Amino acid sequence: EAQVTQNPRYLITVTGKKLTVTCSQNMNHEYMSWYRQDPGLGLRQIYYSMNVEVTDKGDVPEGYKVSRKEKRNFPLILESPSPNQTSLYFCASNGGNLYEQYFGPGTRLTVT
Amino acid sequence: GQQVMQIPQYQHVQEGEDFTTYCNSSTTLSNIQWYKQRPGGHPVFLIQLVKSGEVKKQKRLTFQFGEAKKNSSLHITATQTTDVGTYFCAPIQENFNKFYFGSGTKLNVKP
Repeated sequence: EAQVTQNPRYLITVTGKKLTVTCSQNMNHEYMSWYRQDPGLGLRQIYYSMNVEVTDKGDVPEGYKVSRKEKRNFPLILESPSPNQTSLYFCASNGGNLYEQYFGPGTRLTVT
Repeated sequence: GQQVMQIPQYQHVQEGEDFTTYCNSSTTLSNIQWYKQRPGGHPVFLIQLVKSGEVKKQKRLTFQFGEAKKNSSLHITATQTTDVGTYFCAPIQENFNKFYFGSGTKLNVKP
């Protein structure tokens, strides 16, 4: 089954404690993204990757890091989380700009 | 970034009524995608429009792409409670590299 998986699904942490949210896709997609979703603001792209070892900033990259060492995995790293990073995070993948995006189930992060 | 406005922000309808959401871009688009997100769920792709003036139908859903490729709409005929959710447009420009989404229209359907 074609899918994007994310872990963990829920996470409560404290300010400054480094965390990683994993994302994996099994569709051999080249393009992967991370989004955050906040009420009234829709989905905003944090980082994207057009292929292995190629990553670039989206609209809201501050406070986040990513890596793309393998085609299937695209982890999101928060080196020093802050309360304003409390949000719902989605990973997505697609085969190119003419193709649909497949979204993971989401990770709800709370930073206290 | 991409300037796109999606209206309305919220829509409450009685089951059986029609519903329309609009997505307006300040620039000419290459194509546009539409997604639906059920409450508590993740966005799911509905359709992609590519051609100027294109109209596509999926059962009770009708999608349109404007002649100037700057606006698009999603119309649902005779809404059902299963249509509840937030509908997002995702405009795509030439020389695409980033994805943008409209702020979404949240649809509530009263039975």
